[in-house]
Amino acid sequence: GAGVSQSPSNKVTEKGKDVELRCDPISGHTALYWYRQSLGQGLEFLIYFQGNSAPDKSGLPSDRFSAERTGGSVSTLTIQRTQQEDSAVYLCASQRAGVSDTQYFGPGTRLTVL
Amino acid sequence: AQSVSQHNHHVILSEAASLELGCNYSYGGTVNLFWYVQYPGQHLQLLLKYFSGDPLVKGIKGFEAEFIKSKFSFNLRKPSVQWSDTAEYFCGSLASGTYKYIFGTGTRLKVLA
Repeated sequence: GAGVSQSPSNKVTEKGKDVELRCDPISGHTALYWYRQSLGQGLEFLIYFQGNSAPDKSGLPSDRFSAERTGGSVSTLTIQRTQQEDSAVYLCASQRAGVSDTQYFGPGTRLTVL
Repeated sequence: AQSVSQHNHHVILSEAASLELGCNYSYGGTVNLFWYVQYPGQHLQLLLKYFSGDPLVKGIKGFEAEFIKSKFSFNLRKPSVQWSDTAEYFCGSLASGTYKYIFGTGTRLKVLA
């Protein structure tokens, strides 16, 4: 079946603009994660959804970041008033059910803030 | 707080050489441990994972990792690497009862044919 998809694959934006990144998880997967991968850094946990609920949003770097998930499926990560330090690859991963299940990653969205 | 350290950032080996990539985690409680791999142009994928039981875990493509609790380590090994093992490898941990995965900074492996 189809894997995790993310769009856009690349996004170049100007500082101060808002961006919206989309993740389509594997059908039927109830758990969804967002990560950020900056140059020279590991995968930084941003947020976790179980269904449409995010039990902990403390991984979001600032209040300019927000995420939602609707219908237990698609998730969007929104960054308002983008800054140059937001430039990174944003990865989404889904899991079938429990947190210990295998994570299936998408291809990522490469965000460049000029 | 959890953390994961990968000491080797770049490794270059010739084909048939043996591989060991270091991974150390810091967490006093029970952890689940993982290795993920990202081949060039591909998505991150699970290589192997440890939850409990035999501390020697075997994964895909001939990889294995050993959980040594006393050393807080989960090193990845392969006896004989191939050119196709060229990739970036990420070690990760998940504290039992939580959902927050912590990953290391990754190790870029290049295998010379």
